[in-house]
Amino acid sequence: AQSVTQPDIHITVSEGASLELRCNYSYGATPYLFWYVQSPGQGLQLLLKYFSGDTLVQGIKGFEAEFKRSQSSFNLRKPSVHWSDAAEYFCAVGAKGGGADGLTFGKGTHLIIQP
Amino acid sequence: NAGVTQTPKFRILKIGQSMTLQCTQDMNHNYMYWYRQDPGMGLKLIYYSVGAGITDKGEVPNGYNVSRSTTEDFPLRLELAAPSQTSVYFCASSSGQGNQPQHFGDGTRLSIL
Repeated sequence: AQSVTQPDIHITVSEGASLELRCNYSYGATPYLFWYVQSPGQGLQLLLKYFSGDTLVQGIKGFEAEFKRSQSSFNLRKPSVHWSDAAEYFCAVGAKGGGADGLTFGKGTHLIIQP
Repeated sequence: NAGVTQTPKFRILKIGQSMTLQCTQDMNHNYMYWYRQDPGMGLKLIYYSVGAGITDKGEVPNGYNVSRSTTEDFPLRLELAAPSQTSVYFCASSSGQGNQPQHFGDGTRLSIL
C-alpha cells in the first residue's frame, strides 16, 4: 500500500523568502503525485500534479515541484512567498493504473508567513 | 462553475441524533469520495463510489452510511452521532480512477455535543 510522509508539521517563512515543503512517498512503482493547498475554512485546491515525463512540474500560484525517484520525494517549492500563501499544504499519491479508493494524503504542513 | 457543493457548512448535533451531509457535483464525475479531516491527521477516507449504485468502504467507515442513486449526488449519513464524529467532512469527485486529481467541496464542520 502506498503512503505519504510530510516531515514538517509547521514551517515559518518570511515574506519574500523562498520555500520548500518536503514530501516523501512509498510506492512500489511510478506513482502519480499531487500537491494540494487548503486555505482556512476552505476545501483542498489542486496546485500541481506529476504523472510522467519532465520531473520538474509547474503549478498554479507560482509553485513548482520536483519528482526525484531515487529519493522517493516530491518537494514543493516557491522562489518568493507572499502572505497569501499561508495555508495548509497536502501531498498525495495515487496508484498508477487505478485504485478506485483514491489518493493517499500526507498529514499536511502548516505554512506560516512572517511579515 | 459550481463544482462540488456541500451542505450544510456547519452543524451542531446532540449525541444520538442522526443527520445527512449532502454532496452534489455538476462535472459528471463517476468517482466520488467522503473524507474526514481531524487536526494534524490529514484526510481519512470514509466511503467512496465508482458510479451510481456502487459504493465501498474506505479506511474509517464505522458509524457512517452512504448511497449513490445518481451520478450527481453522494450523501453521507450519520445514524447515531457520537462525539468521536466531531470533524470536518469533505466530499470530492474525480473523472477517473484513483490516480486522477480530485475536486473538493468546501467542507461541512460538524460538532457532536
